[in-house]
Order: sequence, then structure tokens, then C-alpha cells
Amino acid sequence: GAVVSQHPSWVICKSGTSVKIECRSLDFQATTMFWYRQFPKQSLMLMATSNEGSKATYEQGVEKDKFLINHASLTLSTLTVTSAHPEDSSFYICSAPTLDGNYGYTFGSGTRLTVV
Amino acid sequence: QKEVEQDPGPLSVPEGAIVSLNCTYSNSAFQYFMWYRQYSRKGPELLMYTYSSGNKEDGRFTAQVDKSSKYISLFIRDSQPSDSATYLCAMRTTNAGKSTFGDGTTLTVKP
Repeated sequence: GAVVSQHPSWVICKSGTSVKIECRSLDFQATTMFWYRQFPKQSLMLMATSNEGSKATYEQGVEKDKFLINHASLTLSTLTVTSAHPEDSSFYICSAPTLDGNYGYTFGSGTRLTVV
Repeated sequence: QKEVEQDPGPLSVPEGAIVSLNCTYSNSAFQYFMWYRQYSRKGPELLMYTYSSGNKEDGRFTAQVDKSSKYISLFIRDSQPSDSATYLCAMRTTNAGKSTFGDGTTLTVKP
């Protein structure tokens, strides 16, 4: 089945540094990628929607200059957390529709970010 | 009020029990309904999906959608300890649009 490979699975960084998270669609073309954030024991909060070759669409309240999303190819979308702070510590997950008749989307395995 | 409300749980059942997980929603435009299972520190995995109203069965899992009542359910028969996870309902209005998720129900199946 369709697979979205997400890296890294966990990362620890210092306050003020930037962290890049990658999501690759391995056997299908992901024209759209959804980026979520999840706090412990809470549901997925949609941060932004990226479309290949165009600017991402951010949800209300999400700082686009802090969470930079790039979707330069049909198989790669990246999320960069810039000038990270401890409150950015969270679980970040990407997801893409496979458009193969399966209405469910394929999720990456998630990235646990800890900012110290 | 949230667009999607999910029974909060947590649920704890003995092995072999029938489990019922439920979500209600307010947006009548939702057409696509999904159930995902999420293990701790992992991305969600798709369990069931349904378009519009009706029932769908896959092994021990049955998904039901009642659009007239804006209510969806997931039933798990003969529950197993390996079913212990958080279950998320999700729904959307278009085939490739963004999904709206419930808050999740954590299920523990005890041997």
C-alpha cells in the first residue's frame, strides 16, 4: 500500500535553532500534504495544507513564518520549525491522500520534537 | 462547539468483549467518514472508511454511518489486547480535502 516516510522520528534541539521535518511519498505522488500537530492525549490539529508547486495554506492561528512548509516535488514535503522554543515541543505528523479509491489518507509515522 | 465530538473514554474492556466507539458531528456537508487507530508515539493508521450512509464490515470491525442523525460508530467484535490503542474518527466534505478529527477514545483490552 501507499507509504509516507517521515524523518526524523524524534529530534531534540536547542532553543533558537531550526529543525526540518521531511515527508516522502514512496510509491505514489502526493500532490497534497497535510501537516498536523498533536499534543499528548489530544487529537490532531491541522496546521497547514501544502500543494506541490504552490504556497501552503495555513490554518488560522498558525504562524507561517515560524512553520515553513515547502512542497517542491510530488514526492517530498518539508516542515521547518524556525527559531524553535520549548512551546513548540510536540508531535508533528504529515498525511497525504493517495487518491487510489481509498478514502482514507496515509500518515507518516510522526516526529517528536523536543526543544530544550 | 466542535464540529466533531467523540465519546471521550477511556474505555477498558475484557478480552473478547464487543466495543462500541462513537462520534457525532454538526456539519451536514461531511460525506467521507474514517476511523483511524493510533498507537502511542505513532502516526494514525486507517481502519475503516465509508462514503455517505451505511454499514461496512471488515473482519472484526464494523463501521456505521447515520447521516440523518449525524452519528457514526465503530464496532469491534471479539476484542483483543492488540486492539488497545487510541481510536480517532475523522470526516471530510470532499475526496481530497482536509479532514476534521475527533479527540480520540483510548481503548484498553485486558487479557
